[in-house]
Formats: sequence, C-alpha cells, structure tokens
Amino acid sequence: DTAVSQTPKYLVTQMGNDKSIKCEQNLGHDTMYWYKQDSKKFLKIMFSYNNKELIINETVPNRFSPKSPDKAHLNLHINSLELGDSAVYFCASSPILGGGTEAFFGQGTRLTVV
Amino acid sequence: SQQGEEDPQALSIQEGENATMNCSYKTSINNLQWYRQNSGRGLVHLILIRSNEREKHSGRLRVTLDTSKKSSSLLITASRAADTASYFCATDGGGKLTFGGGTRVLVKP
Repeated sequence: DTAVSQTPKYLVTQMGNDKSIKCEQNLGHDTMYWYKQDSKKFLKIMFSYNNKELIINETVPNRFSPKSPDKAHLNLHINSLELGDSAVYFCASSPILGGGTEAFFGQGTRLTVV
Repeated sequence: SQQGEEDPQALSIQEGENATMNCSYKTSINNLQWYRQNSGRGLVHLILIRSNEREKHSGRLRVTLDTSKKSSSLLITASRAADTASYFCATDGGGKLTFGGGTRVLVKP
C-alpha cells in the first residue's frame, strides 16, 4: 500500500542514452512533483503538475520531459543523458496546489550516468 | 538558489541529548515545513508551522518560527539512535516547496 512509488530505484546508463522514470501515487492527490537531489543533498524542484497540467517548469533543460497521463501518474523522460544528470530524482505528491499541506515523497531513483 | 539555509550542516550528539538545528529563509512564506530523510530513502514530513504560529510541538519535536527574522528552529529532545538522519526545512509558497540544504544529524548510542 505504498503511497508514492517510483520505478526503477536504481538506474545506471551511458551518456547519450534516453531513459524514463515512472511515478504513481495512490493517495488521490491533485498535485505531483519531480525534485532533483544532487550529491550535496540539495533538493531542487523541477516540475509540478496539477490535475495533469504542467504548473511549474523550473528552468530545466528541455531534454527532461515530464508526462502525466492521469493525475495519479507523473513520469519523467530524459533524452541524451549527460554526466551532470547523475543525481537522485524524487517524485512527490500533495493534496492540492498552493501548499499548506504536507508532501509525500517516493523512495527516489538514483540515476548514474557513466 | 536555495530559499532556506540550514545551520549547522552537520551535528553529532550522544543518545539522550537534545539536537537543535536552524533554518533561515529569504522571502515571505505561507508556512514552513520540516522533513526527515533517512539514508537512501525519501523525505518524510515531520511538522508544518503556519506563518501566524510561533511554536508547534509534535512528540519529541518542537518547532519555532520567527517571521520577523525569517528563521525557524527544530529541536529534537531526548534523541535516539533512530533519529540519525538528514533534516530539511522547506518553505511553502508559489505552489511548491523550496528546501534548505539540510542538517545531517548523527546520534551515537
């Protein structure tokens, strides 16, 4: 009965490849996010979606393309992977857009680009 | 840039001692939240304090908020080895959470 689940948990791939990370939440939340955590543990928002609509795109390279087929899913596709993309990517959800409530995070996907 | 800056970056204490960490932020906020991250895991929400609140308690956690100084503190009382984790403050505004750099807490048994 995992609330926010991401797959895969680990992803090792070569530079130039294209990869996807999937995220699903079973909480009935309207809003979902992607965050990137770098090697120094800094967490930075990448995207937020509300009811399948893109709300925030935080100056992320357009090699990163989120897709939300329905409000329970938010996938992240990355084209032409670069070494600097290595990080832990977290999916999260919250009941409503605009805050005032806690966010629920997935376990993270550790992406290593070699 | 990070909205929140946390201090200290790392903290090492003995089991049973209290741990205090601070968070400063730059812009006005709706609320401020604290999260815990165990090694290799996702973030878990601990407590939310609204901009009109000054102090909030949850179990062994006490959070204060001073909006005039744009700062917050998290106190963990009677720490346990299981409290070993990274702790992040996050400001809530603009439809997103903006996180500080975190404080790594090590509680030695």
